Amino acid sequence: QVQLVESGGGLVKPGGSLRLSCAASGFTFSDYYMSWIRQAPGKGLEWVSYISSSGSTIYYADSVKGRFTISRDNAKNSLYLQMNSLRAEDTAVYYCARQVATITPIDYWGQGTLVTVSS
Amino acid sequence: QSVLTQPPSVSGAPGQRVTISCTGSSSNIGAGYDVHWYQQLPGTAPKLLIYGNSNRPSGVPDRFSGSKSGTSASLAITGLQAEDEADYYCQSYDSSLSGSGVVFGGGTKLTVL
Repeated sequence: QVQLVESGGGLVKPGGSLRLSCAASGFTFSDYYMSWIRQAPGKGLEWVSYISSSGSTIYYADSVKGRFTISRDNAKNSLYLQMNSLRAEDTAVYYCARQVATITPIDYWGQGTLVTVSS
Repeated sequence: QSVLTQPPSVSGAPGQRVTISCTGSSSNIGAGYDVHWYQQLPGTAPKLLIYGNSNRPSGVPDRFSGSKSGTSASLAITGLQAEDEADYYCQSYDSSLSGSGVVFGGGTKLTVL
């Protein structure tokens, strides 16, 4: 069965860095587009970043552009999010999510990993 | 402000029917892009509930249905049950935005009275 397992969350000071990972299994990882979507405490869903199946196409939300970097390793069935210059407003649960393409539904989500930015 | 507008909350008694609206614009729902719905039970990750406006993934009860018309979409839940109490989000694609174009509604909290 499809599984997406995030890791790497934690407490970090403002201005600090964190790298999130998402381990995928149960499907052919290299066939799918992948996204990071976050949810601040008590708030709604916010799309953060997206990477195509080959890694050749990448998009970022304006709120993280220039600070976050998405990447993937299809040989390791893994998705990553390098987060630099973290701010308090980046505090959220970060979900790894699978899509066939940007206009298709997000058919599987990971369980999420909590990132807390606080001094 | 979310690109797609949902009511913050709806409520209904067990057995009743409730609907949740999702209002967009001519660059997303009105442009013909599909609407998808997600259910997020308390403390859990979102789960795909309806895709392509009105299709249910395997395992989703037929009490849940979706529809789309013009620049809006709706999620209907009939025969309301206590376990339906959750947050519901609509999602579509917006061609006017930079980035991936993936847009969400602000979410609707369903309370079963």
